[in-house]
Amino acid sequence: QQPVQSPQAVILREGEDAVINCSSSKALYSVHWYRQKHGEAPVFLMILLKGGEQKGHEKISASFNEKKQQSSLYLTASQLSYSGTYFCGTETDPGGYQKVTFGTGTKLQVIP
Amino acid sequence: GAGVSQSPSNKVTEKGKDVELRCDPISGHTALYWYRQSLGQGLEFLIYFQGNSAPDKSGLPSDRFSAERTGGSVSTLTIQRTQQEDSAVYLCASTPWGASYEQYFGPGTRLTVT
Repeated sequence: QQPVQSPQAVILREGEDAVINCSSSKALYSVHWYRQKHGEAPVFLMILLKGGEQKGHEKISASFNEKKQQSSLYLTASQLSYSGTYFCGTETDPGGYQKVTFGTGTKLQVIP
Repeated sequence: GAGVSQSPSNKVTEKGKDVELRCDPISGHTALYWYRQSLGQGLEFLIYFQGNSAPDKSGLPSDRFSAERTGGSVSTLTIQRTQQEDSAVYLCASTPWGASYEQYFGPGTRLTVT
């Protein structure tokens, strides 16, 4: 079951904040966030596990609401380097054989 | 250390021909994914190998697509009788084990079917 991301696209000015949401129709065990710049492979940002804490790295952080079956990625004081497409990936059951299913992506453009 | 590698980086083929795309995962990684990404689109899951278990082929779009993983390492994605709609970037990713780990993506193979 593919997670749903919103918004599909967003344009920010440098220094502005953004929130990207990822929701699932099934109970989630983990949520993954990746960023892909144009012409490049996706790069890992973070994983949030069920029962885990909110994670963050500098000005990019994420939360995981197990009850609502959703996760949000927070980008604060955006920089030009944040531009790219952000994908969330979800795992709906624990265990070594479960695959991650990715959402359709959110295109983020940061302008000067 | 070495990351995930894919070859060729670009492939142009005529409609109807068969193509093979190769993925070399990070050594020791037991799980391997293939994805397809059409221009400006998301990551479409194709197939997932996990250790010695039977692969999850639920994402393969037609029986023209097949993949194998030899010796738990190198994987080959084969597309038979290519069609123009097969044109896309094919990405491979590996993880140490299962789904709750970071996926390391290769640079992809850009396939163009003329």
